[in-house]
Amino acid sequence: GENVEQHPSTLSVQEGDSAVIKCTYSDSASNYFPWYKQELGKGPQLIIDIRSNVGEKKDQRIAVTLNKTAKHFSLHITETQPEDSAVYFCAANSRLRGSARQLTFGSGTQLTVLP
Amino acid sequence: KAGVTQTPRYLIKTRGQQVTLSCSPISGHRSVSWYQQTPGQGLQFLFEYFSETQRNKGNFPGRFSGRQFSNSRSEMNVSTLELGDSALYLCASSSNGGGSTDTQYFGPGTRLTVL
Repeated sequence: GENVEQHPSTLSVQEGDSAVIKCTYSDSASNYFPWYKQELGKGPQLIIDIRSNVGEKKDQRIAVTLNKTAKHFSLHITETQPEDSAVYFCAANSRLRGSARQLTFGSGTQLTVLP
Repeated sequence: KAGVTQTPRYLIKTRGQQVTLSCSPISGHRSVSWYQQTPGQGLQFLFEYFSETQRNKGNFPGRFSGRQFSNSRSEMNVSTLELGDSALYLCASSSNGGGSTDTQYFGPGTRLTVL
């Protein structure tokens, strides 16, 4: 089936620095790309998403960029804070079989923000 | 608006038993998707229900099944439990389904441990 690759698997940054997480997808027809943050003991929480009709979206300290030609998208967190420490997942609405689609998730990035 | 709720939050079962997990979606959402999350395999799609019908299914054995009621609440059942079924089971609700460009909202999950 279609897959989504995510890098890096772990990322440590100093408080105040920026963090970048990158994902690539294989299904060229994917048109929806959400990012989720998962804290320990909780379910994933949507932090930002982008649809394929735009190349960039920003929400305060968080931004996502999408390059449809290269089939990759990235999450950018600026001015990181200790509470940003969590596991981040990217996803794409990929083809399951036939015309059926479903979110396919990357393997996750453990972000640690050091005070 | 109340979020996605899942019950129970924790379950301990022994091999060979069966288990039923419950998910109540956000009011007005007709789609419920189920995922299995493990450290080794990440977030894997189990199945999706929309308006009481299974719409999509992932690559899991027939021991995993589900259903959806007229009020959109969904249950998933795992029969003949195996040790490898130990995982966090997450459900997510959306208006039109996980393959669309609609946002999926996750519940807190049910942590299943099989002894």
